[in-house]
Amino acid sequence: EAGVTQFPSHSVIEKGQTVTLRCDPISGHDNLYWYRRVMGKEIKFLLHFVKESKQDESGMPNNRFLAERTGGTYSTLKVQPAELEDSGVYFCASSLQFWSPLHFGNGTRLTVT
Amino acid sequence: SQELEQSPQSLIVQEGKNLTINCTSSKTLYGLYWYKQKYGEGLIFLMMLQKGGEEKSHEKITAKLDEKKQQSSLHITASQPSHAGIYLCGAPETDSWGKLQFGAGTQVVVTP
Repeated sequence: EAGVTQFPSHSVIEKGQTVTLRCDPISGHDNLYWYRRVMGKEIKFLLHFVKESKQDESGMPNNRFLAERTGGTYSTLKVQPAELEDSGVYFCASSLQFWSPLHFGNGTRLTVT
Repeated sequence: SQELEQSPQSLIVQEGKNLTINCTSSKTLYGLYWYKQKYGEGLIFLMMLQKGGEEKSHEKITAKLDEKKQQSSLHITASQPSHAGIYLCGAPETDSWGKLQFGAGTQVVVTP
């Protein structure tokens, strides 16, 4: 069984540019989560999809971040325009049921210069 | 919001020795996850504890949940080089099991 896949693994962009991160969850997992870890901080929850619907987006920092999950399969997280403080590692996770363990991807390391 | 404090922040242990990591919550624990992370990699699921007093073991790793103390511990017996990495505890907010609050992590180094 393939795990959670994230692309790209690294991204370096300039302030003001746009970046789109992609996450492919484990097949059959309806629950998909985005988390991020910024420098020196704990991993923080961003949002939760159940299939294609946003269940909880209370962790999204501001309206420069847009997450989508068309068709309830893969998800994208777009940052537009990127700011320096957006640098960090963005993790995606998926679970079969909401009470099931979360399985994380390897993360995308985003650097905004 | 809930805060999780892990101790120690880091530790160095000689191969073959035991080690214990603690995770203490500022609020009631409804359950707790333990993950391990190696540099540049994702979080590897170790264990999920759902009830007070629950104890789970997998290979040489044992985790316990003490609801009264709002604390969980992770114990590794006879550590090996493969146990090196960053150990993270994560707790769900109320009954939202996927929305986790994480601790800062404990870095474990295993020396020959």
